[in-house]
Amino acid sequence: EIVLTQSPGTLSLSPGERATLSCRASQSVSSSYLAWYQQKPGQAPRLLIYGASSRATGIPDRFSGSGSGTDFTLTISRLEPEDFAVYYCQQFGSSPFTFGPGTKVDIK
Amino acid sequence: EVQLVESGGGLVQPGGSLRLSCAASGFTFSSYSMNWVRQAPGKGLEWVSYISSSSSSIDYADSVKGRFTISRDNAKNSLYLQMNSLRAEDTAVYYCAKRGSGWYIDYWGQGTLVTVSS
Repeated sequence: EIVLTQSPGTLSLSPGERATLSCRASQSVSSSYLAWYQQKPGQAPRLLIYGASSRATGIPDRFSGSGSGTDFTLTISRLEPEDFAVYYCQQFGSSPFTFGPGTKVDIK
Repeated sequence: EVQLVESGGGLVQPGGSLRLSCAASGFTFSSYSMNWVRQAPGKGLEWVSYISSSSSSIDYADSVKGRFTISRDNAKNSLYLQMNSLRAEDTAVYYCAKRGSGWYIDYWGQGTLVTVSS
């Protein structure tokens, strides 16, 4: 099983600041199989990034993804009030299709 | 507009059974693989099961293997999850989730809550 570790667990930032979220895999994952999701309280998750670096439809360009192999990064260039949420990475490279534990981005 | 609407959740005793349904609309259901993903209260996301568009490929998380069965009816645009031998640790919101054209989930339902308790 591929274990995904996300860091930090919580990121406390102010609007306008840059957020850098990490997702590390226990084994190499093809970039094609790495996605990022955003979840707000009481809502279903929303796809942000697929294929490690491709933005989903309607996602603002302040969200970007990068990385390969075992290390992947989600960057939010300038935090907007609506970006404070929990972010999960997921791998579809091999079953089980695991999620990371999430990074909570909250307001400082 | 893609819509995924789950139903069938509720309170069930340990050892009991429940069948979740997901009604899909707004896309060609028979062309896409589907998943069930769950989230225990206050916890993170856990992938539960996957079924390919033709049902030829099916997979489960180890935590539910042998107890849960995923299925679909393409004629009815519906996805199902039969859950047997339910345990307290199965308590969660269960999401129906559509796979995109690549390996990712592009749409999620709003979820249905399953509570396993005596």
